[in-house]
Amino acid sequence: AQKVTQAQTEISVVEKEDVTLDCVYETRDTTYYLFWYKQPPSGELVFLIRRNSFDEQNEISGRYSWNFQKSTSSFNFTITASQVVDSAVYFCALSEGDSGNTGKLIFGQGTTLQVKP
Amino acid sequence: NAGVMQNPRHLVRRRGQEARLRCSPMKGHSHVYWYRQLPEEGLKFMVYLQKENIIDESGMPKERFSAEFPKEGPSILRIQQVVRGDSAAYFCASSPQVDYGYTFGSGTRLTVV
Repeated sequence: AQKVTQAQTEISVVEKEDVTLDCVYETRDTTYYLFWYKQPPSGELVFLIRRNSFDEQNEISGRYSWNFQKSTSSFNFTITASQVVDSAVYFCALSEGDSGNTGKLIFGQGTTLQVKP
Repeated sequence: NAGVMQNPRHLVRRRGQEARLRCSPMKGHSHVYWYRQLPEEGLKFMVYLQKENIIDESGMPKERFSAEFPKEGPSILRIQQVVRGDSAAYFCASSPQVDYGYTFGSGTRLTVV
């Protein structure tokens, strides 16, 4: 059965610290897609990244970086030099891509990140 | 290019009333998904539609909930005879194709009093 686990419920850091949000997934599919979304206090969901199961290259986008490791079924997200504006709930999600896939996302429970000035 | 538009942003209904939530996908997107975020819970898939067709409704409650995506006009999520437990944020997302990645709307926050 498919599942996404974000074990960290809440993280609090001081501005400029680096922080890593963990995401562990379970799936039997060989083709799948992993996502991260940000939900700031205003409530909308902001797409951050999509990664398919055949691309294990790490990705960096500004202060954001993602570490995908199939061997440990993890897709962790690191924010470097955190800022107060990074305070939000972050969701990791999985979409299974084998036959019959409909693109629906299975979300983790989310990690609430608080960055203090 | 406008994003996914959801309205209303906030909706208050009394128990037993009907709630109608609207979602206009991004231009060129023919795949629409609805998700629900209950208080203190994560986001849960409800239904996936393409124009005039429900493709996957495995996450929809068996009673009182329905969804449509007509040939013309927005997608509608309809909740009949609302109860307090329906109070949640309802998000719509659209995509040009399966697994391309979604763009979510800003959500409709339903409060049942």
